[in-house]
Amino acid sequence: QSALTQPPSASGSPGQSVTISCTGTSSDVGRYNYVSWYQQHPGKAPKLIISDVSERPSGVPDRFSGSKSGSTASLTVSGLQSEDEADYYCGSFAGSSNFVFGTGTKVTVL
Amino acid sequence: EVQLVESGGGLVQPGESLRLSCAVSGFTVSNHYVSWVRQAPGKGLEWVSLIYSGGNTGHGDSVRGRLTISRDISKNTVHLQMNSLRAEDTAVYYCASRGDPSKVWSFDLWGRGTLVTVSS
Repeated sequence: QSALTQPPSASGSPGQSVTISCTGTSSDVGRYNYVSWYQQHPGKAPKLIISDVSERPSGVPDRFSGSKSGSTASLTVSGLQSEDEADYYCGSFAGSSNFVFGTGTKVTVL
Repeated sequence: EVQLVESGGGLVQPGESLRLSCAVSGFTVSNHYVSWVRQAPGKGLEWVSLIYSGGNTGHGDSVRGRLTISRDISKNTVHLQMNSLRAEDTAVYYCASRGDPSKVWSFDLWGRGTLVTVSS
């Protein structure tokens, strides 16, 4: 199972929006609505920010939103804040009790 | 309070074995799925394995046959038996779960991780 493809980096100024793509295949992202997104600050455990393509867990700001089209999922962070600077990973169920993460995207707030 | 606490990491030589543990409090492992996720130094997340609430398991392609997940319901603990370790298994190993067991294949509960270093 190959890792989902994400851009290595993305950036934006405070208040702007940034969108991160997550490209899989018809066997994972394209087949199942079990796409999730995680935020990870240096030295910390990942934090779930989106599940089931577009659901925000309790406590996650509505600045974070998720979507999917075909085999590509996307995470949009609106109204960028300095604390949004982190690594972001997508993940998807891939069938047969298998799961795959994305390659990760480093978001920089300029 | 919900907590996942990993233990058992350390320095081992290639070919050796190690068993990691994830002690869970605040929910029962017989009602929730628990997964292991690893992260090599400076690298991304890699899903390793998962044990369902019913006891069935799944493992990633790169570890299948060498790393095996199991659980001890009486101790509310999930284990990862790691055999024939290789340098590329060097990573921080996290255990992870979901607070709402009706939500599948996403992880909102994470431990702090335990570091496994495989080196001669």
